Amino acid sequence: AQTIHQWPVAEIKAVGSPLSLGCTIKGKSSPNLYWYWQATGGTLQQLFYSITVGQVESVVQLNLSASRPKDDQFILSTEKLLLSHSGFYLCAWSRLGSSAETLYFGSGTRLTVL
Amino acid sequence: AQSVTQPDARVTVSEGASLQLRCKYSYSGTPYLFWYVQYPRQGLQLLLKYYSGDPVVQGVNGFEAEFSKSNSSFHLRKASVHWSDSAVYFCVLSNQGGSAKLIFGEGTKLTVSS
Repeated sequence: AQTIHQWPVAEIKAVGSPLSLGCTIKGKSSPNLYWYWQATGGTLQQLFYSITVGQVESVVQLNLSASRPKDDQFILSTEKLLLSHSGFYLCAWSRLGSSAETLYFGSGTRLTVL
Repeated sequence: AQSVTQPDARVTVSEGASLQLRCKYSYSGTPYLFWYVQYPRQGLQLLLKYYSGDPVVQGVNGFEAEFSKSNSSFHLRKASVHWSDSAVYFCVLSNQGGSAKLIFGEGTKLTVSS
């Protein structure tokens, strides 16, 4: 069975500090990977997606970056946090990149920027 | 333009009552449509999806949804809700072709009262 693990579960960070969030998928080779951001009480917005190691596509510019250093790992980061970065970050994977694919979400990381 | 509208931000129903959560979409062709559920402080899980065939699709835990092209709708229904159904429900639209670019509705927070 496939599992998806996000870390950390929660972060409280200062404005201007760096950030690194991680996501690991086990039990599935070459998954498509996604980062989503959810404002408190809001809807989800896709940030990045990746179909293979080393390749990441940006969907929305939020002064964040993403990398895929390994087949099963997806990293979201920034060098300087903004207040607007607060929210819930969700990593997801799908078997293929087609539009009808089900997304499988991790449990998320809650980020508070002060 | 593609969009998803969930007109009801909050819905409260009594346990055992029937449920309908509304979803309207805007898309020029025949879309792929999904309903996802988010339990408190968790990631999202797929309830059901539609991309062709019978307009009524069955999902998990007794949920079903009906696709209507003429009304541009994809309403979610359940005959008898349980307190554990309390969660946020997202209607999601996916464009056909290409990578999975999902458009999420704003979500409907369902509260089941006992």
